[in-house]
Amino acid sequence: DIQMTQSPSSLSASVGDRVTLTCRASQNIGSYLNWYQQKPGKAPKLLIYAASSLQSGVPSRFSGSDSATDFTLTISSLQPEDFATYYCQQSYTTPRTFGQGTKVDIK
Amino acid sequence: QVTVKESGPVLVKPTETLTLTCTVSGFSLSNARMGVSWIRQPPGKALEWLADIFSNDEKSYSTSLKSRLTISKDTSKSQVVLTMTNMDPVDTATYYCARILVVPAAMIYFYYYMDVWGKGTTVTVSS
Repeated sequence: DIQMTQSPSSLSASVGDRVTLTCRASQNIGSYLNWYQQKPGKAPKLLIYAASSLQSGVPSRFSGSDSATDFTLTISSLQPEDFATYYCQQSYTTPRTFGQGTKVDIK
Repeated sequence: QVTVKESGPVLVKPTETLTLTCTVSGFSLSNARMGVSWIRQPPGKALEWLADIFSNDEKSYSTSLKSRLTISKDTSKSQVVLTMTNMDPVDTATYYCARILVVPAAMIYFYYYMDVWGKGTTVTVSS
């Protein structure tokens, strides 16, 4: 199975901060990487697919980049509604493994 | 409007078989560019992909749970069913179903991503 490792596991940030989350795959997965946001008690929400394609309706402050095994999700200016846990998921092959998540909370 | 909704028991006993149903609306399970995935999340833990199924009846399973899982679909009822045998307290979790889109990438490859999720159903395993 492809292992997905996210870092950091948690971070504290302030409204307006630029935040970068990292996801590393255990092997080359091309651009087959998705990002989801999950708020407490809610279902995950798709933010980015194919490493850098923004899902319809998702604010443009979210962006993704890739380099085969190392991926980043950047929030250019953190908003109050962005405090949540973020998961990456590889879709290169099955099983479609998720990372362990990065929790973003208020500093 | 595209929706998916999970249903099933709230409580199951150890060793029992869990049967969960995902009822979809707004799209057809016969659409070649769509499928349904099941994902679970134990309390306070990360998401875990379990299985998915597509219009051509192609199925995939979690490596660690493959021996216990069966996914199937009834296109006429717009339902996808996941069964998990030999339930254990460690299987206590919220179980989600989601629509998975299949988008052409390069050559013979496709992007897969889950764009519509249900609210989840919480399953507790306890005697």
